[in-house]
Parts: sequence; C-alpha cells; structure tokens
Amino acid sequence: AQTIHQWPVAEIKAVGSPLSLGCTIKGKSSPNLYWYWQATGGTLQQLFYSITVGQVESVVQLNLSASRPKDDQFILSTEKLLLSHSGFYLCAWSRGGTGSAETLYFGSGTRLTVL
Amino acid sequence: QQQVRQSPQSLTVWEGETAILNCSYEDSTFNYFPWYQQFPGEGPALLISIRSVSDKKEDGRFTIFFNKREKKLSLHITDSQPGDSATYFCAARSNYNVLYFGSGTKLTVEP
Repeated sequence: AQTIHQWPVAEIKAVGSPLSLGCTIKGKSSPNLYWYWQATGGTLQQLFYSITVGQVESVVQLNLSASRPKDDQFILSTEKLLLSHSGFYLCAWSRGGTGSAETLYFGSGTRLTVL
Repeated sequence: QQQVRQSPQSLTVWEGETAILNCSYEDSTFNYFPWYQQFPGEGPALLISIRSVSDKKEDGRFTIFFNKREKKLSLHITDSQPGDSATYFCAARSNYNVLYFGSGTKLTVEP
C-alpha cells in the first residue's frame, strides 16, 4: 500500500526566515507529485508539479520553490517567508504519466503560521 | 479569473434529506471533474468523479449530474448522514497536470 508522509506537521516561523517542507511517498515508483496551498477556510491552489526526478513545473508564483531530489521525495522551500505564506500546505501524488485524469492522493498537510 | 465556481458556500440539511452542491466552470477544454471531501485538519480525499463524455455518475448515495452545454455540474448526496458533514470541493482539469479547485461548500448535516 502506498503511503504519503509530510513533515513537519506544523510550523510557526517569523517573517523573513527560511522554510523547508517535505513530503515522502512510499510504495509507489515514479509517481507524479504535487504541492498545493490552502488558505484558512479557502480553496486549494496548485503550486508545483513534478513528473520525474529533477523536473519541477511551477503553476503559481508565490515566492516559493520546489525540488524533487529523489523519486519519492518532494521539497517546498523559500529563503524569505512572507505573512501571505501562512496556510495549509498539502503534498499529493498520482500515478505517473502525463495528461488525462488521475486521482490525487493527498497527505495530511503542514500548517504554517508566519508571524 | 476563477476557473471553477461553487455554490452555496455553506449548506445545512437535516439527516435523511438530499444535499445538492453546485459547480460551474469556464474552460471548455476541461474534461475531468472530481469531487473531493475534506474534514477539518485533514487533506482532501476523492469522493467521486465524472468525465465529460458522461452526464451522470452514481456511487452509492453520491451522484454527479453533468451538463456540458451549460458548463455546470452538481453533486447530490441522498439520505444525508451527520458523518457527511465536511467541506466538498469541485475540481476540474483538461489534459495537463493542473487541477483547479472551486472554493468549496461546507456541508452540515443536523441529526
């Protein structure tokens, strides 16, 4: 069975400080990986996706970056946090391959508070 | 520009009633429409989905009705249960790796 693990569960950070969030998928080789951001009580906005190691596509520019250093790992980061970065960050995976419809399986998320 | 719109923002029904959640979209290239269910503090989970070649998809108490001409769809939850209380997101995509979500409908089922 596939499992998705996000870390940390929650973070409280100061404006201007760096950030690194992680996501690991076990039990599935070559998945498509995604980062989503959700404001409190709001919709989910796709930030990045990756279909293979070392390749990341940006969907929305929010002064964040993403990397995929390993087949099963997806990292979201920034060198300088803004107040607007607060929210719920969700990692998701789907079966590999481009295009067409695939179910997204979401992790349990990281709650980020920027003060 | 919001690609996917949902209404109402919140909905309260009594246990046993049918809840109807609405969704509309802009992009005529969208061909896949999943509905996700999210409980507080958790990631969303796929509930049911439909492709644009169909006009109806049923799974137990959950049914999607799809009108391609009007670019509208709706999720019907029959015999609503208190455990169905959650936020429901309509989403849409075409043939690219981007899924657009609506703003969600918060459903409360009163016992």
